[in-house]
Parts: sequence; C-alpha cells; structure tokens
Amino acid sequence: DAKTTQPNSMESNEEEPVHLPCNHSTISGTDYIHWYRQLPSQGPEYVIHGLTSNVNNRMASLAIAEDRKSSTLILHRATLRDAAVYYCILRGLGAGNNRKLIWGLGTSLAVNP
Amino acid sequence: GAGVSQSPSNKVTEKGKDVELRCDPISGHTALYWYRQSLGQGLEFLIYFQGNSAPDKSGLPSDRFSAERTGGSVSTLTIQRTQQEDSAVYLCASSYREGRTDTQYFGPGTRLTVL
Repeated sequence: DAKTTQPNSMESNEEEPVHLPCNHSTISGTDYIHWYRQLPSQGPEYVIHGLTSNVNNRMASLAIAEDRKSSTLILHRATLRDAAVYYCILRGLGAGNNRKLIWGLGTSLAVNP
Repeated sequence: GAGVSQSPSNKVTEKGKDVELRCDPISGHTALYWYRQSLGQGLEFLIYFQGNSAPDKSGLPSDRFSAERTGGSVSTLTIQRTQQEDSAVYLCASSYREGRTDTQYFGPGTRLTVL
C-alpha cells in the first residue's frame, strides 16, 4: 500500500486558517485521498476525500496537487473543537487494500484560544 | 440514526483472564473492521468481515485473538489469556461497502487495561 507522510504536530490560533500537509509521492492513479480526524478519547471520524479535483464540504477543504503527490487539508477557521489528530490515508483498488488502511501517527493539531 | 456502538467502554482485567468486546455496526453496513490503538500509536488493523464471506484475519497478532460476526451484524472480539501488552483501545468500524470512496464509521472504542 502507498504510504503517506505528515508532520507530527502543528499549532494554530483560534479562528485562523490551518493548512495540514500530506505527502504521498508513491500514490497510484486510482488511489483516493482520505482524511480522518480523531478527537481526544474518541474514535476517528471522516473529514473529506478526493481523487484529483479540490473538494469542499462543511468541515473542510481538500486541495490536491496537480501531480497528486501531495495534498493539503484546509480548516478555514480553526476552533478549539478542531484540536485532534488528523490522518491522511490512501485507499486504492484491489481486495484487501482498503481494509488494511495504513494509519500512521497523523498530525496532532493544537488550537490556541 | 444510531452510529457504531461498542461495549464496554472500559475494561480492566487481570493477566490471564479472557475478555469479550462487543461491536454493534450501523444497520445495513456489510463491512466491519476491528482495529487496535496502543497509547500514542496509530491504528493497527486486526480483522475484517464482509457479508457472509470468510473473514480476513491476517491482522490478528496471535491465536489468542478471535472474532465472530453473527447474522451479519453484531461482532465480538475475544482475547484469551490476556497479556499486559494487550492493553490498548480496541476500535470497531463499519462501512456500507469496502470501496475506495466508502467512509468508515468508527465506534468510541473499548479501553482495555490488563493488570
């Protein structure tokens, strides 16, 4: 499975935008890029996913590089509730590829009031 | 509708005892996953169920671990003769299918502490 690399931690101030980067240089043409986040003492929750085009939803935006070797999760106005660990994951074709999502350590985002 | 639920939320047991962890997936979801998350670590895949197919057990760390999914719904993860290294949060997730665009919905997890 293709791997992703993310910074271990980032810090932001409340109500400021946050850009969380993810590198996936070995991504294949059929891999989708997914983002999940895990709030303290909770299970992960889905944030957003995309293939090639930038995506927006009520939680965040996903900006995907033209060569697809990197992506950025954008929180437009960070709130204290956005403090969490953010995981960037690739999901591809083939039996078994998706069930064994490779979850690294993600990026731990701290939001300062 | 209800999300994925897990019980118990916390379990403290003594080394050598057996434990059972339960997962109730979202109704209609055919795919069910179990993961383990040790302190400060990412998620580690354990086992996967899809409909009536044979489960993918390739992530189970030892033969002390087993899981069942009855009637295509509720799942139970059993750990026999628990060891201290089994202490972790055990997470269950379900999804409608196992596709590239399918979202996994996670339960709150069961925190297992083996003394």
